[in-house]
Amino acid sequence: GAGVSQSPRYKVAKRGQDVALRCDPISGHVSLFWYQQALGQGPEFLTYFQNEAQLDKSGLPSDRFFAERPEGSVSTLKIQRTQQEDSAVYLCASSWKRVERTEAFFGQGTRLTVV
Amino acid sequence: DQQVKQNSPSLSVQEGRISILNCDYTNSMFDYFLWYKKYPAEGPTFLISISSIKDKNEDGRFTVFLNKSAKHLSLHIVPSQPGDSAVYFCAAVGYSTLTFGKGTMLLVSP
Repeated sequence: GAGVSQSPRYKVAKRGQDVALRCDPISGHVSLFWYQQALGQGPEFLTYFQNEAQLDKSGLPSDRFFAERPEGSVSTLKIQRTQQEDSAVYLCASSWKRVERTEAFFGQGTRLTVV
Repeated sequence: DQQVKQNSPSLSVQEGRISILNCDYTNSMFDYFLWYKKYPAEGPTFLISISSIKDKNEDGRFTVFLNKSAKHLSLHIVPSQPGDSAVYFCAAVGYSTLTFGKGTMLLVSP
């Protein structure tokens, strides 16, 4: 498809388990963003890539969170030793240039439930 | 500390009437604003945007107004349709990322 694709759509993890969430951005999009959306809240910024460079990771809540985009296209968000407070929808978005003056296109998200 | 605030968690409007969704921000560095619409189990989809050099942008039934001095923007939908029922997020662009409000759930009844 032509949109942002995220997998898996749903993930249930036992507390302490590591998880990896995948994002396939729109082809040719330079910028890629990860957001965390808790229930009843707006999306909260996690990290931002421009091509393969991670330019901002100030939103990552702890060192258990790690994101990469090694070839400037697909990105993976990894959460180590998951905890219950990590339960949320993780949204990926991409845009064809820097986000200023243009909109970002979002994927459907991965709903992570830590039990 | 929330930099983008949507103080109304929900709004109910009758079909055909105007819907007005409000958003306030605190960071003067924000210079571009967007509205996103979100249906359940889907990601947010872009609706309309406005640059800080403008005070109004219109696209069909949707108009966004920006009052920089008040750090306030609003989204007007007229006429409202049942298919507009969704959660609406206001977002602001600062350095390189989007900062979102908590959203307003709009329900348009027939």
